[in-house]
Amino acid sequence: AQKITQTQPGMFVQEKEAVTLDCTYDTSDQSYGLFWYKQPSSGEMIFLIYQGSYDEQNATEGRYSLNFQKARKSANLVISASQLGDSAMYFCAMRETRNTPLVFGKGTRLSVIA
Amino acid sequence: GAVVSQHPSRVICKSGTSVKIECRSLDFQATTMFWYRQFPKQSLMLMATSNEGSKATYEQGVEKDKFLINHASLTLSTLTVTSAHPEDSSFYICSAITGGEETQYFGPGTRLLVL
Repeated sequence: AQKITQTQPGMFVQEKEAVTLDCTYDTSDQSYGLFWYKQPSSGEMIFLIYQGSYDEQNATEGRYSLNFQKARKSANLVISASQLGDSAMYFCAMRETRNTPLVFGKGTRLSVIA
Repeated sequence: GAVVSQHPSRVICKSGTSVKIECRSLDFQATTMFWYRQFPKQSLMLMATSNEGSKATYEQGVEKDKFLINHASLTLSTLTVTSAHPEDSSFYICSAITGGEETQYFGPGTRLLVL
């Protein structure tokens, strides 16, 4: 069974600094996808970044990058130049084949301090 | 990215009534949609997988007679909470998959409060 672990219930970061949100996963499949979503207080799930298990390079999307270490089964999210609007819950998720549902971690609440 | 809408965004109902939540893919066809439930300060938990033209697949512990799912077209899936009780109060959110992308796109969610 798939499992996602986010060990940081809450994180604080100073505005304009970088922050890393941890995520480890467990799966016996060779092909899988890893995702990060942001959930502000409104509740909507905002897609941030995707990493395929066969992708050799770390995914990047603007200020977001995914530090993918396959051997360690980790997929940490790095947010550079934090902004006050980055304050939200962040969920790491995984799915096996393309048409299967996502399994989510418990989330990390990020607070950006001015 | 693709757009998924949900309606209503918020609903308050009396115990014992039924509530229907709609999930629509606005600019793409979604052969598969997923329904999740999120209790306060918790993560999203999958309730069921909805495939167009076939019966939904429910996760263990989710009552299929209580949470009726219908995926009648490639752009619409509905979740009906029948005989709602206060413990059904939660945030319900759907997601949909496009044919050619890896990403699952989420609707904005529906907050259900059962009094």
